[in-house]
Amino acid sequence: GENVEQHPSTLSVQEGDSAVIKCTYSDSASNYFPWYKQELGKRPQLIIDIRSNVGEKKDQRIAVTLNKTAKHFSLHITETQPEDSAVYFCAASTGGGNKLTFGTGTQLKVEL
Amino acid sequence: NAGVMQNPRHLVRRRGQEARLRCSPMKGHSHVYWYRQLPEEGLKFMVYLQKENIIDESGMPKERFSAEFPKEGPSILRIQQVVRGDSAAYFCASSQTTSGSNIQYFGAGTRLSVL
Repeated sequence: GENVEQHPSTLSVQEGDSAVIKCTYSDSASNYFPWYKQELGKRPQLIIDIRSNVGEKKDQRIAVTLNKTAKHFSLHITETQPEDSAVYFCAASTGGGNKLTFGTGTQLKVEL
Repeated sequence: NAGVMQNPRHLVRRRGQEARLRCSPMKGHSHVYWYRQLPEEGLKFMVYLQKENIIDESGMPKERFSAEFPKEGPSILRIQQVVRGDSAAYFCASSQTTSGSNIQYFGAGTRLSVL
């Protein structure tokens, strides 16, 4: 089955700096890659996703890149703000109605 | 436009009791997924259901756990004879029926504590 690895497990940045979180996946059939943000005690919320027919997607301060050949994808957050502090999870799926396989999460802390 | 609704939000059970967790998907969604999140860990897939059908239960423990999504009413995740290791947050997600669209929206979760 699919295996998703995520790095780093913790990340501290200064406010205004950029943050990058990286994930690799094992199943070449995976074609859908969402990123979720989870604040303490809250539900995971989708912040951005990418499908395998594109290499990059951007939404304001958040961008995701995908390298299908290397089987890795990354989340980039620019101009970080304290409210970006949360746990971020990457995930992979073969699309359609199929299950998501999650990475182990990255605790992002944005310091003033 | 209510999102995915889960109840109860918190559930306390003693060892050996049964736990029933309920999930109502978003309006227009007929795919339901259950995930389990242990403290400070990621989400692990348990089961995927459509109305009256279990599509994928590959992540479900073979014993004590069952799930259903009846024609009417919410999806139910049932844990019989709970043990301390079942303590976790259980999240439900739902997605639309159209093929190719796999955006899963999560509920607020049920936090199960087994004493």
